[in-house]
Amino acid sequence: DTEVTQTPKHLVMGMTNKKSLKCEQHMGHRAMYWYKQKAKKPPELMFVYSYEKLSINESVPSRFSPECPNSSLLNLHLHALQPEDSALYLCASSHPGQNNEQFFGPGTRLTVL
Amino acid sequence: QKEVEQNSGPLSVPEGAIASLNCTYSDRVSQSFFWYRQYSGKSPELIMSIYSNGDKEDGRFTAQLNKASQYVSLLIRDSQPSDSATYLCAVNYGGATNKLIFGTGTLLAVQP
Repeated sequence: DTEVTQTPKHLVMGMTNKKSLKCEQHMGHRAMYWYKQKAKKPPELMFVYSYEKLSINESVPSRFSPECPNSSLLNLHLHALQPEDSALYLCASSHPGQNNEQFFGPGTRLTVL
Repeated sequence: QKEVEQNSGPLSVPEGAIASLNCTYSDRVSQSFFWYRQYSGKSPELIMSIYSNGDKEDGRFTAQLNKASQYVSLLIRDSQPSDSATYLCAVNYGGATNKLIFGTGTLLAVQP
């Protein structure tokens, strides 16, 4: 199995809701990433986990909370989001190290009302 | 500030022609270079990786890297309408920072 999966595919939530995005990979990778992508823009890095430890937080607001329960799973917990947080949320994975060839999941399309 | 620059396009080529996509980067310590294809509404798909100077071919795709001039390019031979997408150039600067820097992408339109 050589893919990254993400659930749900689409999510609509109100500003007071709490929801979670899930990502799973079975590629044996030990680095996992969350990106946010707005329309007609490149992916914007949010968080990096390397060997299940948070290694990069790109000054993301605390209403986004990442979690890496094990080497295959990555979650993004959402709370009190704003309409401007509506975007495509992408998970990626790679072997940590020099080359950093990243493979993306299909993404979760998030709409905040 | 590490930067990766691409012409946003759209780059329009006729079916069967060669599409040439270019990317420049700012930091000489860059080590790994990638091209991703992204269809509208979909996630980026890795299509080419290149790590050393010269050309790397994979089917209709050829990636070219010139570290001295700090540019990387992607050639698509025999372009097909199904190649119409945004092509993102990404650069890994390595070291302790395990992150990719993406260019803004070039929109390619292949005309039947």
